[in-house]
Amino acid sequence: GQQLNQSPQSMFIQEGEDVSMNCTSSSIFNTWLWYKQDPGEGPVLLIALYKAGELTSNGRLTAQFGITRKDSFLNISASIPSDVGIYFCAGPRTSGTYKYIFGTGTRLKVLA
Amino acid sequence: SAVISQKPSRDICQRGTSLTIQCQVDSQVTMMFWYRQQPGQSLTLIATANQGSEATYESGFVIDKFPISRPNLTFSTLTVSNMSPEDSSIYLCSFQGYTEAFFGQGTRLTVV
Repeated sequence: GQQLNQSPQSMFIQEGEDVSMNCTSSSIFNTWLWYKQDPGEGPVLLIALYKAGELTSNGRLTAQFGITRKDSFLNISASIPSDVGIYFCAGPRTSGTYKYIFGTGTRLKVLA
Repeated sequence: SAVISQKPSRDICQRGTSLTIQCQVDSQVTMMFWYRQQPGQSLTLIATANQGSEATYESGFVIDKFPISRPNLTFSTLTVSNMSPEDSSIYLCSFQGYTEAFFGQGTRLTVV
């Protein structure tokens, strides 16, 4: 079945550093979503991507929809302590539905 | 955008008992979903809660274990029945907005 693999699984970075993470699949997706989950909270949408090659920013966050439609990337510039959390990519299980499959997650820890 | 709230936010339950989790949205939504997040894991879709009809369950989840109600367009419940320690997870409700899925803050369930 469909799987979304995220890399890295976890990372420790220094405050102020840039962060890159990716999400890959063996299947094609027509939508890529990036969510962040803070401890004790539900996921919150950061960026949505709808077209291959699309590059979208949200403040210090930039995400790209891979050309092959099998991957996506999220970059965080100048990380700050509140960036700590788990970042999930997600995509619709079947094109045109709202049933999402979530990636394995990247756990980010920022060292002040 | 609509606000979604869950309760309880957390509970510790004895094995063999059942827990009902409530999810309230402050506006009418067509699609509501229930997810499970096992410790340190990603989110897995349990079922789609349909108003006026039975819920639609994903592979690996059955109605006897996870009965769902959807009495109206703003409310849904998920019951975790005959609990065992393996049911210890975060359970999240979600609804599909115009462009993204919104999540409740989750119910952290510990079964002892």
